[in-house]
Amino acid sequence: EAGVAQSPRYKIIEKRQSVAFWCNPISGHATLYWYQQILGQGPKLLIQFQNNGVVDDSQLPKDRFSAERLKGVDSTLKIQPAKLEDSAVYLCASSFRGAGGDTQYFGPGTRLTVL
Amino acid sequence: RKEVEQDPGPFNVPEGATVAFNCTYSNSASQSFFWYRQDCRKEPKLLMSVYSSGNEDGRFTAQLNRASQYISLLIRDSKLSDSATYLCVVIRMDSSYKLIFGSGTRLLVRP
Repeated sequence: EAGVAQSPRYKIIEKRQSVAFWCNPISGHATLYWYQQILGQGPKLLIQFQNNGVVDDSQLPKDRFSAERLKGVDSTLKIQPAKLEDSAVYLCASSFRGAGGDTQYFGPGTRLTVL
Repeated sequence: RKEVEQDPGPFNVPEGATVAFNCTYSNSASQSFFWYRQDCRKEPKLLMSVYSSGNEDGRFTAQLNRASQYISLLIRDSKLSDSATYLCVVIRMDSSYKLIFGSGTRLLVRP
């Protein structure tokens, strides 16, 4: 079974530039998550989609971050404009239903460096 | 105060040693508990669930103490391949089930 796919794997940009990340979840998984993991910390949830609707975006910095999941499959996360503190690994995860007992499967992540 | 707290380590142990990690959580409404493993520059992967009755999977034993809001992971007969960061994860219900990760405990197993 194919896992969660993410691209690009690495990205280096200068502050104030824009960047976009792409995620393709496991086939059949209704729930998709974007996490931010800063070095030395655990992943922090940015946004959760159930099919193509947003369930939780309470920790998404909406002045600069946006995400969409058109058609309830692939998703993109955008940062515009980027700040130095956005340097982190952006992890996409998916689960079958998003219920408490569901296992979340993570993609390999996109490592963003903002200079 | 963080909602999920872990000792960052690193724990540096010889092969064959027994090592234990602890984790505390502050939200008594937390519903489910897990340990995830994260290798260097890799994504987190589910290691095991944690139950009040205890959960054992081979060399790994996880335990939950709801009264003390405390979770533990015990690794017996450590292998070199156990070297990784172990993330304590708590699930609570807001508008949805939300995973709250600790910052992780780093384990180094030396020959």
